[in-house]
Amino acid sequence: AQTVTQSQPEMSVQEAETVTLSCTYDTSESNYYLFWYKQPPSRQMILVIRQEAYKQQNATENRFSVNFQKAAKSFSLKISDSQLGDTAMYFCAFMKLNTDKLIFGTGTRLQVFP
Amino acid sequence: EAGVAQSPRYKIIEKRQSVAFWCNPISGHATLYWYQQILGQGPKLLIQFQNNGVVDDSQLPKDRFSAERLKGVDSTLKIQPAKLEDSAVYLCASSLGTSGRVGETQYFGPGTRLLVL
Repeated sequence: AQTVTQSQPEMSVQEAETVTLSCTYDTSESNYYLFWYKQPPSRQMILVIRQEAYKQQNATENRFSVNFQKAAKSFSLKISDSQLGDTAMYFCAFMKLNTDKLIFGTGTRLQVFP
Repeated sequence: EAGVAQSPRYKIIEKRQSVAFWCNPISGHATLYWYQQILGQGPKLLIQFQNNGVVDDSQLPKDRFSAERLKGVDSTLKIQPAKLEDSAVYLCASSLGTSGRVGETQYFGPGTRLLVL
């Protein structure tokens, strides 16, 4: 069975600084998808970024980028130029190929302060 | 484009009572998901529908939970009878569900926060 581990329950960062959230996962699959979802205090979860395991290039979406280390089964999220609106819970999630089932980690609460 | 709608937003019931949640997915989305998010944990998939058929309900406690998606659009999730450990946020999500395309983005609703006393 696949598992997703987020070892940082809480993180904080000053506005305009850079922060990295960690995620590791365990799977015997060779192809899969990885996601970072953001859940602001209003609780509507939105997709931040996704990565296909068969792609070597790290995904990037504006200020958000990932460091995907397939051999180490690591998938960290880097937020550059942090903004107050980035304050939220961040969930790392795994999806096996040919399924739509997301397996989430326990989340990291990020606080961005002025 | 309207997002995923859920109601009610909050519900407080006593144990052994029944409760129902409603979800309206994004128009045109064939796949609908119900997740349970217990405080301090990530969401856990309860059931997945493709149109009005069940794709995965392996983690649905079928002795007390039931769900349906009539006409392949709206869905309801019911708990009967509720237990204290059912206190959680129940999230509904939807995705396009285009045949052959997997790994699609799931769009989440605001959730229903349930407290069982």
